[in-house]
Amino acid sequence: GAGVSQSPRYKVAKRGQDVALRCDPISGHVSLFWYQQALGQGPEFLTYFQNEAQLDKSGLPSDRFFAERPEGSVSTLKIQRTQQEDSAVYLCASSGTSPMGEKLFFGSGTQLSVL
Amino acid sequence: RKEVEQDPGPFNVPEGATVAFNCTYSNSASQSFFWYRQDCRKEPKLLMSVYSSGNEDGRFTAQLNRASQYISLLIRDSKLSDSATYLCVFDPGGRSDMRFGAGTRLTVKP
Repeated sequence: GAGVSQSPRYKVAKRGQDVALRCDPISGHVSLFWYQQALGQGPEFLTYFQNEAQLDKSGLPSDRFFAERPEGSVSTLKIQRTQQEDSAVYLCASSGTSPMGEKLFFGSGTQLSVL
Repeated sequence: RKEVEQDPGPFNVPEGATVAFNCTYSNSASQSFFWYRQDCRKEPKLLMSVYSSGNEDGRFTAQLNRASQYISLLIRDSKLSDSATYLCVFDPGGRSDMRFGAGTRLTVKP
């Protein structure tokens, strides 16, 4: 596609519910990132993929968070047993090869509200 | 010390003013630095890369000071359309992910 696509755009979940957020990166982009952005804060790194390999998941806040990119293209961020503190915008970004010195292209994000 | 520190502002300036933001980083191994712009309720977008020798793009000038470990962004002749949050971005040294500062909010007023 022309850009990074994320769905859904908005998600409202009841506390304890599982959610799955989808990211469709720019075709051919090797690197894919997930960030969490709370209101009034900068994006916080969650995890990074190079093709299908998850090279860094050090930013995932708990074992309730899980990300995958099985075919090296579309990625899914799953949050189990959602809590109110999970409410944030989840941003996905991709870049051509290594992000070192390369531009990150962001999707519009998924705004998650946990009630 | 935090990985990155950025003055959150807000900076409220009149049109035509010159404004500068700094961002300090803690990892001396960081190699890549950028400024991103984020409009309200939108995704971040690359504004400019920051090179060791300093670089300019129109009204925007970015500089890197490795000795003091900070980057700066200077905006000359501010326009209303410059109102946004400016995020400093860098690599955490020896790794492929990119880290963002909390952002500096700028409002340019008529």
